[in-house]
Amino acid sequence: EVQLVESGGGFVQPGRSLRLSCAASGFIFDDYAIHWVRQGPGKGLEWVSGISWNSGSARYADSVRGRFTISRDNAKNSLYLQMNNLRAEDTALYYCVKDLYRGETGTFHMWGQGTVVTVSS
Amino acid sequence: QSALTQPASVSGSPGQSITIPCTGTSSDIGGYNYVSWYQQHPGKTPQLIISDVTHRPSGVSNRFSGSKSGNTASLTISELQAEDEADYYCSSYTASTALVFGGGTKLTVL
Repeated sequence: EVQLVESGGGFVQPGRSLRLSCAASGFIFDDYAIHWVRQGPGKGLEWVSGISWNSGSARYADSVRGRFTISRDNAKNSLYLQMNNLRAEDTALYYCVKDLYRGETGTFHMWGQGTVVTVSS
Repeated sequence: QSALTQPASVSGSPGQSITIPCTGTSSDIGGYNYVSWYQQHPGKTPQLIISDVTHRPSGVSNRFSGSKSGNTASLTISELQAEDEADYYCSSYTASTALVFGGGTKLTVL
């Protein structure tokens, strides 16, 4: 059974940093691209960032580029999102999502349950 | 990057068919076949119901179907059931450095 378990969310003040983690199991982790997708309170889905199977390619939404960094450790079956200079508009439920392919096609196949990030003073 | 355009809401009666359009540009929907659809019930995690424009993952009802014409993709749900009431999102690969979702469509089963 495919499992994606996010952690690291919490309450943080604007301008501070947070690091999200995603532990994957039940599939060959290094065969697939992985993404972070977020959903603000009462809002729609927003793609945040994605990374290819071998970390050869990483993509970011304009809203987070330069502040967020995605990375993965295939030896640990883990995905990370380093979030710096957080803003109130980054408040959301952050999902770890497995792509259907090795590249970041944006085919969001399997979803974790998410971790909540709240940015407020 | 701009989100794909979906109607905010659609509705239909049980047994009817409805179609949800998703409009993009030649740099996303029109240029690639990595168009997907997701169903999200309130308080639940989104579920992939259509990939690669028309492909239905294992376990997804055959009442769901996808298509594409030019820069517009569509999700059709036939024989509407009460359990289909949910939010539906489209997504597409893009030529830019980003990936993109539609704004979401709330389906109400009357």
